Formats: sequence, C-alpha cells, structure tokens
Amino acid sequence: GAVVSQHPSWVICKSGTSVKIECRSLDFQATTMFWYRQFPKQSLMLMATSNEGSKATYEQGVEKDKFLINHASLTLSTLTVTSAHPEDSSFYICSARGSTATNEKLFFGSGTQLSVL
Amino acid sequence: ILNVEQSPQSLHVQEGDSTNFTCSFPSSNFYALHWYRWETAKSPEALFVMTLNGDEKKKGRISATLNTKEGYSYLYIKGSQPEDSATYLCAFSDNYGQNFVFGPGTRLSVLP
Repeated sequence: GAVVSQHPSWVICKSGTSVKIECRSLDFQATTMFWYRQFPKQSLMLMATSNEGSKATYEQGVEKDKFLINHASLTLSTLTVTSAHPEDSSFYICSARGSTATNEKLFFGSGTQLSVL
Repeated sequence: ILNVEQSPQSLHVQEGDSTNFTCSFPSSNFYALHWYRWETAKSPEALFVMTLNGDEKKKGRISATLNTKEGYSYLYIKGSQPEDSATYLCAFSDNYGQNFVFGPGTRLSVLP
C-alpha cells in the first residue's frame, strides 16, 4: 500500500526555537495533505488542509503564523512550529490522499512527538 | 462543530472472543465514513471507507456496517487475536468533503 514517511518521530526543543516536521508520500502523488494534532487522551484534531501549490486552509483556532505549512510539491509537505512554547508540546501527524475526494482513504505518517522545554 | 463519538473508550477481551464497537456521527449531510486501525508506534491504517446507507464491508475477521439515517456505524471483530490490539478510529465527512472529523477512538486490548 501507499507509504507516507514522517520525520522526525520525536523532537525535543527549547522554548522559542522553531521546529520543522516533514511528511513525504513515497509512492504516490499526494494531492491533498492534512496536519493533525493530538493531545493525550483526545481525538485527532485537524489543524490544516493543504493542496499542492496552494496556501493551506487552517481550521478555526489554529494560528497560521505559528504553524507554517508548505506543500510545494506533490510528494512533500512541511509543518513548521515557529517560536515553540511548552503548550505546543503535542503529537503531530500528517495524512495524505491522492485526490480531493473524501471518500478515498487516507495514508498516514507515523507521527511526531514534540516536547518543548 | 461536528461531533463524532465512539464507544466504548476502551475494552479488554480474551483471545478468541468476538467484539464490536460503535461510531456515532451526525445523520444530516452525510458523505463518507472511514474506519482506521492504529497500532502503537505505527501509522494509522485504513480499514474501510463507506458511503452508502446499509453498506457492509469485510476484511478478514473484521467487518463494518453503516446506518446513515440514524448516524452510526458498527465495527465487528470475530475471534479476536492479540494482533488486533490497537486503537480503532472512525472519521466522518459531510457536505461533499467540507468537513472531516475523527472520533476519539476505541482502544482494544486482546489478552492471550
């Protein structure tokens, strides 16, 4: 099946620094990529949706200047957490699909656990 | 805000037992319902995508049903095995894909 590679899987950073998370589709063209955040014992919460070559669409309450999403190619999307603070500590995971149709299944990365000290 | 609920939150079953759990979603403007299995330290894996009321899908010992009129889907596992231990997530989309919301998941532990 299709593979989505997400790196890094774990990152610890100091408060105020920026962290970049990469999500690559290895064997298909990811027309649409999604970024989620999950706090302990809570649901996956969609942060933003990005289509290749377009600006990302952010969910209500997600600061686009803080969570920068770039989807410059059909195989790569990045999420940069700028000026990270301890409250940004969370599990971040991406998913992708080869079209814009929501009746097609998603392929997920393995997630990134971010800890901000 | 769309509300997708799953029950139970967690359950433990003995190897060989059959089990089922529920995903509840808004019954209006339904478009698609997804089920994913998420094993620890792995990526969530798609099990089923269902779009029609009355849909039944099967993959090995796992099957799912869909009732869009009353807003629920059941996931069944027959003869549970330890390798079935995972969190099972459902996700709902409506309005031709304008919204896509995950439930909180059901964590299944199958005891040998």
